[in-house]
Amino acid sequence: EAQVTQNPRYLITVTGKKLTVTCSQNMNHEYMSWYRQDPGLGLRQIYYSMNVEVTDKGDVPEGYKVSRKEKRNFPLILESPSPNQTSLYFCASSHSPSVYNSPLHFGNGTRLTVT
Amino acid sequence: AQSVTQLGSHVSVSEGALVLLRCNYSSSVPPYLFWYVQYPNQGLQLLLKYTSAATLVKGINGFEAEFKKSETSFHLTKPSAHMSDAAEYFCAVSDRSSYKLIFGSGTRLLVRP
Repeated sequence: EAQVTQNPRYLITVTGKKLTVTCSQNMNHEYMSWYRQDPGLGLRQIYYSMNVEVTDKGDVPEGYKVSRKEKRNFPLILESPSPNQTSLYFCASSHSPSVYNSPLHFGNGTRLTVT
Repeated sequence: AQSVTQLGSHVSVSEGALVLLRCNYSSSVPPYLFWYVQYPNQGLQLLLKYTSAATLVKGINGFEAEFKKSETSFHLTKPSAHMSDAAEYFCAVSDRSSYKLIFGSGTRLLVRP
């Protein structure tokens, strides 16, 4: 089954403790992206990747890192999490970056709480 | 800069009633427009997208949206709500030279029995 898999689904951590949220897709998609969803703000893009070893900042990249060493994986790294990073995170992928021609496929989300 | 506004963070309708979710965009040229749906504990799914070929766009599950350039709107409708339509709906916009989707703040649809 074609899917985007995120892990974990739920994560509670403390301020400053490094964490990684994994994202993997099995559709051979070139484009991958991370979003955070906050009430009243919709989804905002954190980072995106056009292809292996090609990543770029989205609208809210501060406090996050990503890497794209393999086509299928796009982990999100929080080196020193803070409470304002408490949010619902989504990974998404598509065949190409063209949002018109290539719809985004979303994972089921990771709910992160930083205390 | 492009933006999209969804009026009403919550909309409540009775089962069988008309669903109307509002979306207005801000763009100097007609953009690409999308509606996504998010069911509880799931990621977003594409409901429909605007092509320049037709102003009335039909999507999945009986939803449709009408592009009105004069009103800069792309409202989502469904003639008869079903309990399974309860979800959060996001309008999104992208200009034709960009790879980026700009999402609205979302509207949660509640369907009363």
